[in-house]
Amino acid sequence: QQPVQSPQAVILREGEDAVINCSSSKALYSVHWYRQKHGEAPVFLMILLKGGEQKGHEKISASFNEKKQQSSLYLTASQLSYSGTYFCGTDMFSGGYNKLIFGAGTRLAVHP
Amino acid sequence: SAVISQKPSRDICQRGTSLTIQCQVDSQVTMMFWYRQQPGQSLTLIATANQGSEATYESGFVIDKFPISRPNLTFSTLTVSNMSPEDSSIYLCSIEDSSGNTIYFGEGSWLTVV
Repeated sequence: QQPVQSPQAVILREGEDAVINCSSSKALYSVHWYRQKHGEAPVFLMILLKGGEQKGHEKISASFNEKKQQSSLYLTASQLSYSGTYFCGTDMFSGGYNKLIFGAGTRLAVHP
Repeated sequence: SAVISQKPSRDICQRGTSLTIQCQVDSQVTMMFWYRQQPGQSLTLIATANQGSEATYESGFVIDKFPISRPNLTFSTLTVSNMSPEDSSIYLCSIEDSSGNTIYFGEGSWLTVV
């Protein structure tokens, strides 16, 4: 099942903060976060493997709550370069291997 | 991380024709994945290609429409057959890293069917 992302879109001024959520109806082993800029392929940001563990990348961090089957991506003091679409991906084990299923994405626009 | 190269990067194709997309990795990898991203949409897994075995297709994708080859541990091809405008998408090759925890994408192949 596809994870559910919210919100669908966010508009920020430079320096503002934002939170993007990703939730699943199934138990999660890990959550992956990617950012895709317009006209480019998705770029890996981070993976979270344990419940409650936070990871960081630039001023972007994330948490993973295994119990609640959800992850949140925190963008702090946003920069223009943060603009893009953020996707979370969750593992699904099927047919003997893990595959990554992506949420619908959250469009983030940062304005000066 | 490994370098993943895709060809072509962009193409405009005629309806009814077929196009083969190549994916070359600079290191040996066990699993390669092919994704499709329709305009404004998320990434949808087409199939998983494991070297030495038939590709495993996801629901909604069939081998006749998207034949895949995986002749060795560094290369794979995806063919989009008998194209229609609905096939206009970005097609992305991806690999697992050596830890098996992270998936990296190639630059993508932007296909427009007219």
